[in-house]
Amino acid sequence: SAVISQKPSRDICQRGTSLTIQCQVDSQVTMMFWYRQQPGQSLTLIATANQGSEATYESGFVIDKFPISRPNLTFSTLTVSNMSPEDSSIYLCSVELQGARGYTFGSGTRLTVV
Amino acid sequence: GENVEQHPSTLSVQEGDSAVIKCTYSDSASNYFPWYKQELGKRPQLIIDIRSNVGEKKDQRIAVTLNKTAKHFSLHITETQPEDSAVYFCAALLSRGLTGGGNKLTFGTGTQLKVEL
Repeated sequence: SAVISQKPSRDICQRGTSLTIQCQVDSQVTMMFWYRQQPGQSLTLIATANQGSEATYESGFVIDKFPISRPNLTFSTLTVSNMSPEDSSIYLCSVELQGARGYTFGSGTRLTVV
Repeated sequence: GENVEQHPSTLSVQEGDSAVIKCTYSDSASNYFPWYKQELGKRPQLIIDIRSNVGEKKDQRIAVTLNKTAKHFSLHITETQPEDSAVYFCAALLSRGLTGGGNKLTFGTGTQLKVEL
């Protein structure tokens, strides 16, 4: 099973600033995803990080707010831009495991915007 | 798009009893249904999954059933233990194709399971 390292694990940020979250996988994966989990809520897909091309965003999420990079098959970043308190959430990276073995998650980044 | 409903939102059982969590999905094209366990402050962990060509799957005390006709699937935990206490999420995977946005995993709203001694 792939090991996903996500950092930072948590951060407290001032409103109006940006935070970049990194996701590193110990093996090459085709599909990488970014999710948001608001306090006490379920997981919502933000976007699919595509290697070598622009990310595919879900309804309600836009590139200007959540720019994503995927320079290779083991690494991706999510930036939360111009943050407001409403962006306070846990952000999770996810990958599709090889051999149709499902989807696994990184440990998450707990973001608090003050 | 896909919509996944999950019930109950909270479930309290006595240690040793069984627990059942139910989910329904809306898109008949969904073809993969995983279940995740999330302990407080931790990442969701895949505990069992089922594909649309299978009706039931079991792994020790955990089983999942799928009824494609009714578009619902359930998680069954037998002989519950205090360490089973967590939030459980069901999910449904819709393969939308490359031009449709790729694979999308839609999650249910979660069930807080509490196993009491």
